[in-house]
Amino acid sequence: EVQLVQSGAEVKKPGESLKISCKGSGYSFTSYWIGWVRQMPGKGLEWMGIIYPGDSDTRYSPSFQGQVTISADKSISTAYLQWSSLKASDTAMYYCARSSSSDYWGQGTLVTVSS
Amino acid sequence: DIQMTQSPSSLSASVGDRVTITCRASQGISNYLAWYQQKPGKVPKLLIYAASTLQSGVPSRFSGSGSGTDFTLTISSLQPEDVATYYCQKYNSAPFTFGPGTKVDIK
Repeated sequence: EVQLVQSGAEVKKPGESLKISCKGSGYSFTSYWIGWVRQMPGKGLEWMGIIYPGDSDTRYSPSFQGQVTISADKSISTAYLQWSSLKASDTAMYYCARSSSSDYWGQGTLVTVSS
Repeated sequence: DIQMTQSPSSLSASVGDRVTITCRASQGISNYLAWYQQKPGKVPKLLIYAASTLQSGVPSRFSGSGSGTDFTLTISSLQPEDVATYYCQKYNSAPFTFGPGTKVDIK
């Protein structure tokens, strides 16, 4: 069974760093792209970027380029999304999803940034 | 970058009605178009990929069509459990932009 399991909810202060994770199982992790999607409270889905764990080829949305870093560790079948300096506007639910057409989704990680 | 639009932004229909949602790309994307359903408080779910291919396990009342710039998602007979927001997404090349969503509820 294909599963993407994300790390738990986070509460952070502005300026802090954060790295959230998405662990894949039940399929060949290195053979499928993993993407990240943001959903701000009450808003729609925003595509952030995608990584191919097989060779770490990474693409970003222009809206998120330079704001976040996407990475993957294929030895533990895990993809990551990280921020070096969080802002209040980063408060959102973040989803990982497998492949370019997002056939499987993680359960989401709620990130709250507040002073 | 290619922009995605959806219409209408919301609709209200009766149980059993045929519902059609339109998605338009600002440039041609061949058939690299997916549709997702997101129920309130839930994770998005893939309904259709490659513009018209039904994802395994999705009820046959859902169908998709189109190619190039214009696409439609049709629910042939709206059911109460179809209350959700529906999103299209292009995936021909990055960025894989989502449409703004169409909220569907029951009249």
